[in-house]
Amino acid sequence: EAGVAQSPRYKIIEKRQSVAFWCNPISGHATLYWYQQILGQGPKLLIQFQNNGVVDDSQLPKDRFSAERLKGVDSTLKIQPAKLEDSAVYLCASSPPIDYEQYFGPGTRLTVT
Amino acid sequence: GQNIDQPTEMTATEGAIVQINCTYQTSGFNGLFWYQQHAGEAPTFLSYNVLDGLEEKGRFSSFLSRSKGYSYLLLKELQMKDSASYLCAVYPQAGTALIFGKGTTLSVSS
Repeated sequence: EAGVAQSPRYKIIEKRQSVAFWCNPISGHATLYWYQQILGQGPKLLIQFQNNGVVDDSQLPKDRFSAERLKGVDSTLKIQPAKLEDSAVYLCASSPPIDYEQYFGPGTRLTVT
Repeated sequence: GQNIDQPTEMTATEGAIVQINCTYQTSGFNGLFWYQQHAGEAPTFLSYNVLDGLEEKGRFSSFLSRSKGYSYLLLKELQMKDSASYLCAVYPQAGTALIFGKGTTLSVSS
């Protein structure tokens, strides 16, 4: 079974630029999560989708971050404009229906200079 | 509020046993996860406890006391490859995201 795919793996941008990340969850997984992991800390939820609907986006900085999940499969996370404090690893995870375990992708390491 | 505490760093030698503690205070509790994360890689699932007691899986065991808001991960017969960050995460309600602690970086030396 293929795992959660993410791209790009690394990205370096200057502050005030825009960036987008892509995630392809495991086939059949209805729930998709985007987490932000700052160096030395645990992952923090940004947004959770159930199929193509948003379940929780309470910690998403909506003035600069946006996310969508078209057709309940792939998802993109966008930052516009980026700030220095957005430097982090962005992890995508998915879970199947009626299951608690979350499967993580390899993450995208973003550096904002 | 939500609070999950675990030590920042621990060191141990090959072949030894190490216990990583985690205490939590969350508004809901539907289970506790332990994940292993090697540097630059994604977290990988180690264990899930929802009832009190000890769950053993090979060299790794995890314990939960819901009344004390306490869990630990026990790693036996340590190997160099066990050097990683260990993340404690609470599952507050069914269908919600996990709340992670900051992680414990374990360094295993020979």
